[in-house]
Amino acid sequence: DAGVIQSPRHEVTEMGQEVTLRCKPISGHNSLFWYRQTMMRGLELLIYFNNNVPIDDSGMPEDRFSAKMPNASFSTLKIQPSEPRDSAVYFCASIGPSGGPQHFGDGTRLSIL
Amino acid sequence: GEDVEQSLFLSVREGDSSVINCTYTDSSSTYLYWYKQEPGAGLQLLTYIFSNMDMKQDQRLTVLLNKKDKHLSLRIADTQTGDSAIYFCAESSGNKLVFGAGTILRVKS
Repeated sequence: DAGVIQSPRHEVTEMGQEVTLRCKPISGHNSLFWYRQTMMRGLELLIYFNNNVPIDDSGMPEDRFSAKMPNASFSTLKIQPSEPRDSAVYFCASIGPSGGPQHFGDGTRLSIL
Repeated sequence: GEDVEQSLFLSVREGDSSVINCTYTDSSSTYLYWYKQEPGAGLQLLTYIFSNMDMKQDQRLTVLLNKKDKHLSLRIADTQTGDSAIYFCAESSGNKLVFGAGTILRVKS
C-alpha cells in the first residue's frame, strides 16, 4: 500500500514567492494533519482536517499560511508571501476513521532565501 | 495544556540496551506512541501502547507505561548502529498527537 505522499520533497525559493506544498493521504484515511518541524520549535501541528473539513487551525502561524482539502485524496498548504523564517520541514500525516496512529509522509524540506 | 517531555540525548555502545524516557501530562490519553526519525526522513511509527496496558513487547522493543506517574519508556535491546536516530514520544489528545522534543540516540560501535 502506498503511504502518505508529499510533494515536492525539496523546495528552494526566494522570499516573497508563493509556495504550495501537496499531500495525498493514505486511501481510506479521513483525517489529515499538517506539521512543521524546526530545530528551535520541534514538531508543531499547524492544522488538521476531518472529512475534508478544517477542525483545528490554531497552529497556523499567521494569515500568510492557508490550507485546503478539496477532496479526500488531496490537500495543499500554501504560504504567500513566503519569508526566510518559514524555512522548515513540513510533514503531512493521516489516520483512518477508527483512529489509531498517525502515518507520516517523508516531508517537504522548504528553504526560503 | 498537554505537555510531553523527553531527555535530549542518549549515547550507548553497540550491543547494549537503550532506555529512552518520557513524561506526559494528559491522563486521558488513550494511546501513547513512539516514533523514530532518521536523518532526512519522516516519522516512522515504531510502536504504541494502549493506556490500560503497562507493558508491550515487540521483538527488540519493550514499552513500559506507568500511568500513575505518567511515565513512558522505550527499551531497545541489543542496540545496533542502525538504531541511531531521533525518537519521539507522543500522547494522543482526541485525534491529535502532542509530541515531545525528541531524544537523539547515538550508538557507538
